Amino acid sequence: GENVEQHPSTLSVQEGDSAVIKCTYSDSASNYFPWYKQELGKRPQLIIDIRSNVGEKKDQRIAVTLNKTAKHFSLHITETQPEDSAVYFCAASGYSTLTFGKGTMLLVSP
Amino acid sequence: EAGVAQSPRYKIIEKRQSVAFWCNPISGHATLYWYQQILGQGPKLLIQFQNNGVVDDSQLPKDRFSAERLKGVDSTLKIQPAKLEDSAVYLCASSWGGTLTDTQYFGPGTRLTVL
Repeated sequence: GENVEQHPSTLSVQEGDSAVIKCTYSDSASNYFPWYKQELGKRPQLIIDIRSNVGEKKDQRIAVTLNKTAKHFSLHITETQPEDSAVYFCAASGYSTLTFGKGTMLLVSP
Repeated sequence: EAGVAQSPRYKIIEKRQSVAFWCNPISGHATLYWYQQILGQGPKLLIQFQNNGVVDDSQLPKDRFSAERLKGVDSTLKIQPAKLEDSAVYLCASSWGGTLTDTQYFGPGTRLTVL
């Protein structure tokens, strides 16, 4: 089955800095890669996703890049704000289930 | 639009007891998922329904877990008997279509503590 590795497990940045979270996956058939944000005690919410026919996608301060050859994808957050503090999960799916990484706790200090 | 609803939000039981969780998906969503999220980990799919049929239950511990989707809308997940390692947040999600590239919308989850 699919295996998704996510790094780092914790990331601390100063407000205004950029943050990058990286994920690798094992199943070359995977073609859909969503990113979810989960604030403490709340539900996971989709923040951006990318499909395998696209290399990069941006939405305001958030961008995701995908390298299918290397089987890795990354989340980039620019101009971080304290409200960006949360746990971020990457996930991958192809013909089987959506498999999540273990999460990255992002802490943005004012 | 109204989101995915789950109840109860919290449940504390002793091991070997039974427990049931309820989920009401977003109106019109054909696909419903149950995930288990252990502290410090990402959600793990337990079972996926499309309408009232099971699409994938390969990771459901069928000796103790069961789930059904009543008339293709609401769903219940049951654990009987519970073990200590079942302590987790149980998340329900729904999506409009039946493909894994459809956006999944999550409910608030039920936090289960097994003592």
